[in-house]
Amino acid sequence: GIQVEQSPPDLILQEGANSTLRCNFSDSVNNLQWFHQNPWGQLINLFYIPSGTKQNGRLSATTVATERYSLLYISSSQTTDSGVYFCAVVQNTGFQKLVFGTGTRLLVSP
Amino acid sequence: EPEVTQTPSHQVTQMGQEVILRCVPISNHLYFYWYRQILGQKVEFLVSFYNNEISEKSEIFDDQFSVERPDGSNFTLKIRSTKLEDSAMYFCASASGAYEQYFGPGTRLTVT
Repeated sequence: GIQVEQSPPDLILQEGANSTLRCNFSDSVNNLQWFHQNPWGQLINLFYIPSGTKQNGRLSATTVATERYSLLYISSSQTTDSGVYFCAVVQNTGFQKLVFGTGTRLLVSP
Repeated sequence: EPEVTQTPSHQVTQMGQEVILRCVPISNHLYFYWYRQILGQKVEFLVSFYNNEISEKSEIFDDQFSVERPDGSNFTLKIRSTKLEDSAMYFCASASGAYEQYFGPGTRLTVT
């Protein structure tokens, strides 16, 4: 099956810093989503981005499907950005299950 | 904004007992999913459901698991005889098509 790798696995930032999270996948996809898992365990949808670039406030994401990677940018980080960020993809096989990466654990300190 | 809801938020059960986890998907969605996340691990797919039948299931989804859409609004996951290793966060998700999946807040299942 498709492999989804995220880097870095852990990231510590000072409040106000910028960061880039990366998601690599091993096969063609027709869906890619970014999630933020908050300290209560909830999965918050950030982006649905099978290709192209999207922005939502301080967050933006870019997916280059032909090169099999996606990037999540966090600018001017805040302590509330702390948590785990997951990338998840749907392989281009006709089935719709999301395959999740192992996540990037972000800690933003004041 | 419509959202997926799940009940209960936390369920504690004894090994060997049956549990039913409930989900109310977004009302006009047609595709329904269950995922689980063992503490500290990544989220794993369990099963997808469309047109009143299972469309795909993972190796985890063995005979102890079943899903049902008993009416027009609920989507349930039943575990017949729980094991310690079933302790996890269970997420329900729904989608209108082959697009973005929306996740519920999860049910934390603890098997003792």
